[in-house]
Amino acid sequence: EVKLVESGGGLVQPGRSLKLSCAASGFSFNDYWMGWVRQAPGKGLEWIGEINQDSSTINYTPSLKDKFTISRDNAQNTLYLQMSKLGSEDTAIYYCARSDTYYGYNYPDYWGQGVMVTVSS
Amino acid sequence: DIQMTQSPASLSASLGETVTIECLASEDIYSNLAWYQQKPGKSPQLLIYDASSLQDGVPSRFSGSESGTQYSLEINSLQSEDAATYFCQQHHDYPNTFGAGTKLELK
Repeated sequence: EVKLVESGGGLVQPGRSLKLSCAASGFSFNDYWMGWVRQAPGKGLEWIGEINQDSSTINYTPSLKDKFTISRDNAQNTLYLQMSKLGSEDTAIYYCARSDTYYGYNYPDYWGQGVMVTVSS
Repeated sequence: DIQMTQSPASLSASLGETVTIECLASEDIYSNLAWYQQKPGKSPQLLIYDASSLQDGVPSRFSGSESGTQYSLEINSLQSEDAATYFCQQHHDYPNTFGAGTKLELK
């Protein structure tokens, strides 16, 4: 069974940094692209970015590229999201997602349960 | 960025009815579209990928289709468990983008 478990969320002050983790199990982690998606309270989904199997390619949504860094540790089956210069607009549930690939195009097929990040003083 | 215009924002339907949700892409995405279902307090679940391919384990009453840059999700014979918010996502180009969502309520 594919399982993705996010951790590291919580309350953080504006301007500070936070690092989220996503522990993967139930599949061969190093065979898949992995990514992050967020959802502000009561709002829609926003794609943050994704990383390929050997970390040689990382794609971001342009507005977050300078604030967020995606990385992975295949030995630990763990995906990370390093977030810096956080503002109230970053308050959201952050989802880790595995991506399947169809003719070279990736789409999230399994999602974690999400972790809440609240940016407030 | 590719814009995904999803409609309607909400709809109400009765058990057993058929509903259709649509997403219009701002440019050609060559069928690289997925549909997700999200229930309150839960993470999204993949229903459809490649515009019309049913994800394993998803009931056959869900189907996807396309006409040009317009993509549709049809749900036949609505069941109570279909009450949820549905999102489309284009994964043809970066950044991937989602539609705003359609909240489906069962009468």
